Amino acid sequence: QKEVEQNSGPLSVPEGAIASLNCTYSDRGSQSFFWYRQYSGKSPELIMSIYSNGDKEDGRFTAQLNKASQYVSLLIRDSQPSDSATYLCAVAGGSYIPTFGRGTSLIVHP
Amino acid sequence: SAVISQKPSRDICQRGTSLTIQCQVDSQVTMMFWYRQQPGQSLTLIATANQGSEATYESGFVIDKFPISRPNLTFSTLTVSNMSPEDSSIYLCSVAGTGGSYEQYFGPGTRLTVT
Repeated sequence: QKEVEQNSGPLSVPEGAIASLNCTYSDRGSQSFFWYRQYSGKSPELIMSIYSNGDKEDGRFTAQLNKASQYVSLLIRDSQPSDSATYLCAVAGGSYIPTFGRGTSLIVHP
Repeated sequence: SAVISQKPSRDICQRGTSLTIQCQVDSQVTMMFWYRQQPGQSLTLIATANQGSEATYESGFVIDKFPISRPNLTFSTLTVSNMSPEDSSIYLCSVAGTGGSYEQYFGPGTRLTVT
C-alpha cells in the first residue's frame, strides 16, 4: 500500500523565519509530487508541484525532491502569520491519482 | 486552473435519508474525483467519476452507498445514501487534466452533518 508520511506538528516558527515541512513516501515508482495548503474550514489549495529531482522555487516557496531518498520538502521563506495552515503532501504514480499525507500544521507567530 | 463549484455548501440531514451533492466545473476536464475529509483527518478518495461509465470506487466504498454520476466533462454528482452519523464529513470534488496537466484542484466542499 502506498504511504505518504508527514509529521502532524504543529510546527511553530516565528514571523520572518524559514518553515521547513517534510514528507516521505513509500512508492519508488512515484512520479508527481504536490504540496497543498489548507486553511481551517477551507478546501485544499495547490501551491507547488514538482516532478524531477532538485529544487523548484515559486516566490517564497521552494519545493525540494530527492527520489533516491524518497522525500519531498517544502520551504517557506519569510514566514507570515497568513501562512498558518495545514500543509498536505501528495504523491502520485503512473495512475496520476495522488495519495495524500495527513498534513502538517504550521503556526507562524508574530 | 478551473473554477469548481459545489452545491450545497452544507446541509444537516436525518439518518436514513439521502443527499446528492453536485459538482460543476467551468471547463471540460479529463478526470473528476470525490473525496471525504473527516475532522482533523486527511483526504480519503471515494471514487473516480468516469464520464459515460460507472465510477471506479476505492476499497471500502461501494456504489450502493455512494452512487456517482458523470453525464459530461463538466458535471458530476455524488449521492450519500441511507445516511448515518458516521457519514458526517466534508465531501470534496476535485478535477484534473486541465490544460494537459494532472494537477488536482478542489472544489469548496460540502459540509454534511447527519443527526
